Amino acid sequence: DVKVTQSSRYLVKRTGEKVFLECVQDMDHENMFWYRQDPGLGLRLIYFSYDVKMKEKGDIPEGYSVSREKKERFSLILESASTNQTSMYLCASINPAGANVLTFGAGSRLTVL
Amino acid sequence: GEDVEQSLFLSVREGDSSVINCTYTDSSSTYLYWYKQEPGAGLQLLTYIFSNMDMKQDQRLTVLLNKKDKHLSLRIADTQTGDSAIYFCAERPTGSSASKIIFGSGTRLSIRP
Repeated sequence: DVKVTQSSRYLVKRTGEKVFLECVQDMDHENMFWYRQDPGLGLRLIYFSYDVKMKEKGDIPEGYSVSREKKERFSLILESASTNQTSMYLCASINPAGANVLTFGAGSRLTVL
Repeated sequence: GEDVEQSLFLSVREGDSSVINCTYTDSSSTYLYWYKQEPGAGLQLLTYIFSNMDMKQDQRLTVLLNKKDKHLSLRIADTQTGDSAIYFCAERPTGSSASKIIFGSGTRLSIRP
């Protein structure tokens, strides 16, 4: 089974702080994703990466950046956290074969005060 | 543009069938998915259906696809308390990359005793 691990499940940060959210997958998938989940809005794609050091903006990249230095690790960075970035953040990787099933991590719930 | 719509809430009595509905706009979608999110967890694939199918059944789950009306439904037979979760419908348009998997806003299923 593919495992996607988000090491920080709950974080509380102050406005202006730098925040790192880490995600690691163990199945050698090339494509990894960061989504943001808010009630009533579903999942919105922030950034995705299709290879090491490669990244593409999703639908809502403003205020975020990402890093993919190793294939198994995809990090989401909030350079200066703001209260409107309080949300649930979900990392996923994808099996490119067949039905392109996304496998998600358990999520990181970030509160910015 | 592409959009996936679901109602936000559904309440059913334990033991009854639950039917969660979804409409999508991209008639060229190849795969349509149902993901389940239990409290405090990430999304987990429940099932998917390929666009050349009308129905797929897997134990208590039945997926119906009406391509003409662009309507997808998930029926859960004999609904149990463990089925309480948020259910997301998602589509992957034909020829798109994995980054273009589009999610609905999710339907929160609650079970009454």
